[in-house]
Amino acid sequence: KAGVTQTPRYLIKTRGQQVTLSCSPISGHRSVSWYQQTPGQGLQFLFEYFSETQRNKGNFPGRFSGRQFSNSRSEMNVSTLELGDSALYLCASSLTSAWETQYFGPGTRLLVL
Amino acid sequence: AQRVTQPEKLLSVFKGAPVELKCNYSYSGSPELFWYVQYSRQRLQLLLRHISRESIKGFTADLNKGETSFHLKKPFAQEEDSAMYYCAPNDYKLSFGAGTTVTVRA
Repeated sequence: KAGVTQTPRYLIKTRGQQVTLSCSPISGHRSVSWYQQTPGQGLQFLFEYFSETQRNKGNFPGRFSGRQFSNSRSEMNVSTLELGDSALYLCASSLTSAWETQYFGPGTRLLVL
Repeated sequence: AQRVTQPEKLLSVFKGAPVELKCNYSYSGSPELFWYVQYSRQRLQLLLRHISRESIKGFTADLNKGETSFHLKKPFAQEEDSAMYYCAPNDYKLSFGAGTTVTVRA
């Protein structure tokens, strides 16, 4: 099976802009979770989607949002970018629940200037 | 508040020596417990899951519910075990510790 894929792999934006990241889960996986990784805060949970519904959410401001499509692909959007949003954004998929083993994508590295 | 502590940021051992990575967690419920690993230039992947005992590369982890610890062990470290290791309790979302970088020297 193909693994989790994320696009784009690298992105440079300026403050105030918005960005959309995409994640395609492993075929058959219906749960998609997003994480932010920074040197200072480490890996932090953003949110989880299942059947096109957000099922769980971390402690991030409302500028961070996401959605999931009927084919389980997911997108994450960050509006009004801040310098502190520079990070590696990881997507992970699992069969039906974030409680199961999660399979991670390679990540999208976002740099905000 | 949920908290995961990996007290060692860096760990260096010689090939063939035992290695132990510590993890302590503080949770209100009973999370499922995982260790994830990231090898150089590879994606984050599952190393060990407590409930199913599934594990790769010969690692084991002992759950001590009284101490709320889930330390990772391997009796004989190999050079290919050099990586970043994350303890990750899961209560329907993974919470990662800060990670421990392990270097295995020849």
